[in-house]
Amino acid sequence: GAGVSQSPSNKVTEKGKDVELRCDPISGHTALYWYRQSLGQGLEFLIYFQGNSAPDKSGLPSDRFSAERTGGSVSTLTIQRTQQEDSAVYLCASHYQASAGELFFGEGSRLTVL
Amino acid sequence: GENVEQHPSTLSVQEGDSAVIKCTYSDSASNYFPWYKQELGKGPQLIIDIRSNVGEKKDQRIAVTLNKTAKHFSLHITETQPEDSAVYFCAAGHTDKLIFGTGTRLQVFP
Repeated sequence: GAGVSQSPSNKVTEKGKDVELRCDPISGHTALYWYRQSLGQGLEFLIYFQGNSAPDKSGLPSDRFSAERTGGSVSTLTIQRTQQEDSAVYLCASHYQASAGELFFGEGSRLTVL
Repeated sequence: GENVEQHPSTLSVQEGDSAVIKCTYSDSASNYFPWYKQELGKGPQLIIDIRSNVGEKKDQRIAVTLNKTAKHFSLHITETQPEDSAVYFCAAGHTDKLIFGTGTRLQVFP
């Protein structure tokens, strides 16, 4: 497919477990973003990558959250020792150039922490 | 820190009427102002954007206006249709980072 692909689409986990969310951006897009959308809320910026480096990690809520990107392509967002307040939809988006422009979003990974 | 405020949070209109959503931003360095539409279960999609060198942009039934002095921008949808029902997000940014508003749920009643 030509769009941004995220997996899993749904994840239910128990409090205290670790989870990994994956994002496969559009081929050739150098910039990749993670946002969090809590129920009925806006899009909360988490982190963005330019290539494999993350110039801005300011949105990560705590040190339980980390992200990496390899090969300038796939990115993984990891949440350790999940808490109930981590329940949300995690959206990934990619962008083809280094300046501000259209973000192409995936459909998100819905995380539920019981 | 950077902040984008969006109003109203919900908006209900009759089909054919106009809808207006307003946003304000705090970072004076912002020079890019997109609007996204999010339908249920989908990721947001860009519907229109404006850069700081223009004050208004139109695309068929939608238009965006920007007032850089006052740091606010607005989305206008004319002749609304039921398929316009969705959540709309404004955003403001520069370089690579976009900060989004909290969203407006628009309902268009037939």
